[in-house]
Amino acid sequence: GAGVSQSPSNKVTEKGKDVELRCDPISGHTALYWYRQSLGQGLEFLIYFQGNSAPDKSGLPSDRFSAERTGGSVSTLTIQRTQQEDSAVYLCASSLDLGEQYFGPGTRLTVT
Amino acid sequence: AQSVAQPEDQVNVAEGNPLTVKCTYSVSGNPYLFWYVQYPNRGLQFLLKYITGDNLVKGSYGFEAEFNKSQTSFHLKKPSALVSDSALYFCAVRDNADNRLAFGKGNQVVVIP
Repeated sequence: GAGVSQSPSNKVTEKGKDVELRCDPISGHTALYWYRQSLGQGLEFLIYFQGNSAPDKSGLPSDRFSAERTGGSVSTLTIQRTQQEDSAVYLCASSLDLGEQYFGPGTRLTVT
Repeated sequence: AQSVAQPEDQVNVAEGNPLTVKCTYSVSGNPYLFWYVQYPNRGLQFLLKYITGDNLVKGSYGFEAEFNKSQTSFHLKKPSALVSDSALYFCAVRDNADNRLAFGKGNQVVVIP
């Protein structure tokens, strides 16, 4: 079946611009996660959605970062006024309840 | 808060030899443990997990891992490494009261022909 998809696969933006990253989870998965992977770093948790519950935003690095999940399915991660340190690969994952997470291919963000 | 340590940056092994990638963890409750593999320019792929039951779990591509509660370890193993196993391997943990996964920094595995 279809896995997690993310778009765009690559995004180059100028410092100060806003960007939106999209994630389509596996159909039927109730939980959705966003992570950031920087060069030479591990995966950094950003935000987590579970069903209709309030999202866990504890990993968002600043108030420039926000995320939405509409209709319990598609999610968008928005970064406002991008900075060079935001350059990273942004990974989305989904899971069925509390099971293993399945990851998308990621969006590589480059802020120039 | 949960955390994972993967003490080695890179693991080099000759093709056909046993492969071990080490992982130790820290959680406040019962651990849920996972291994993922990442090939170049790809997302993470799930390999195996331990939730409960038998301490030895088997996963994809011939990999297995052993949960050791007393040593708080969950080392990944493969009896005979292939060149195609060369990739970045991540160990992850969460406890049964927190849905967030904590990842280790990853281990680069290089299998030498």
